[in-house]
Amino acid sequence: NAGVTQTPKFRVLKTGQSMTLLCAQDMNHEYMYWYRQDPGMGLRLIHYSVGEGTTAKGEVPDGYNVSRLKKQNFLLGLESAAPSQTSVYFCASSTAGGLHFGNGTRLTVT
Amino acid sequence: AQSVTQLDSQVPVFEEAPVELRCNYSSSVSVYLFWYVQYPNQGLQLLLKYLSGSTLVKGINGFEAEFNKSQTSFHLRKPSVHISDTAEYFCAVSDGSNDYKLSFGAGTTVTVRA
Repeated sequence: NAGVTQTPKFRVLKTGQSMTLLCAQDMNHEYMYWYRQDPGMGLRLIHYSVGEGTTAKGEVPDGYNVSRLKKQNFLLGLESAAPSQTSVYFCASSTAGGLHFGNGTRLTVT
Repeated sequence: AQSVTQLDSQVPVFEEAPVELRCNYSSSVSVYLFWYVQYPNQGLQLLLKYLSGSTLVKGINGFEAEFNKSQTSFHLRKPSVHISDTAEYFCAVSDGSNDYKLSFGAGTTVTVRA
């Protein structure tokens, strides 16, 4: 009963490096989301997708790109990491009844 | 976009005492409301939700919340807390659009002491 799986769990990057975070869900949900969590700020929406092949910007999209080539996967990319992107990243998938979250990726950019 | 205000950032409480976490949201024609809990180093888990119908909603682990449309509030309550309820709690709202994305409050950290 995997639900939403995020890889990797931890990552340390140097400023300017790139990386991709992978999210996979096995619930056949149409909707998927990437949030970042920072202390005292709750969760803020980065990008989301309402179906395979579609993506849209959320509240804080700058510096990130996403792709949804397969229904079950939603990738978040950082092309040139900055210290301000140090955060915990959560992926979620959804039906009308609410979001199902992965366990997060803790990213540190030095 | 919806905005969500959680009025308390930290709530210390003794074991077996009641707790109330306050949440207000910006008004909209229709909203869906949620409470999530996050235990240390884990993802968020759904506690309860209001989509329609009865304004008193019961969730897991003995929690309940009441939707008050006139006050645009969705406060979370538990009559008797346990040590295991120590966690961060997030209120979230969807504006009912068909992308189901949620706006979250800043969170309330509940610390239960023996």
